[in-house]
Amino acid sequence: DAGVTQSPTHLIKTRGQQVTLRCSPISGHKSVSWYQQVLGQGPQFIFQYYEKEERGRGNFPDRFSARQFPNYSSELNVNALLLGDSALYLCASSSYVGQGIFGQGTRLTVV
Amino acid sequence: AQKVTQAQTEISVVEKEDVTLDCVYETRDTTYYLFWYKQPPSGELVFLIRRNSFDEQNEISGRYSWNFQKSTSSFNFTITASQVVDSAVYFCALSVGISSGSARQLTFGSGTQLTVLP
Repeated sequence: DAGVTQSPTHLIKTRGQQVTLRCSPISGHKSVSWYQQVLGQGPQFIFQYYEKEERGRGNFPDRFSARQFPNYSSELNVNALLLGDSALYLCASSSYVGQGIFGQGTRLTVV
Repeated sequence: AQKVTQAQTEISVVEKEDVTLDCVYETRDTTYYLFWYKQPPSGELVFLIRRNSFDEQNEISGRYSWNFQKSTSSFNFTITASQVVDSAVYFCALSVGISSGSARQLTFGSGTQLTVLP
């Protein structure tokens, strides 16, 4: 079975631009969570979606948004990029009671 | 609010030594789950163990063991006879609430970089 798939794996954006990151969960998993991991720190929770509804939001500005599609894949959007948005963005999928399974992440560099 | 503290930023050991990674957590919830994840240089977080707040039974799995003590709010992780392949960043994490077992909203510690030298 395929694991959690994130795309792209790397990208470079300029300050002020917008970016969309994508996540495909493990088949059968209906929950997707997004995390931001700045270099040298632990991941920070951004959003959680379950059955296409937002179930949780971390302490991030409104420039961050997300959505989940009928096939349970998800997109994370970040507008008006700042240098501080440079990080590894991790997606985790889970069943209702299973532990989270993480993808390999998208490494975003803002220049 | 929840908080996870991993006081050890970096640990370096020689292969075959035992090493313990410390984790202290804070929460006012009575129902919560604690997790350990391993992050190799590739970046993917690899699940190691999950423990709920009602199960203080410690566990051994191969070279890994975990010590959960609610009295001290600690959830420590020990690797016995460490190997070079154990080199990675290890994260302790906390999830609270009735549906917390699925690790959908995790609070992570800052991680411990473990280096095992040959």
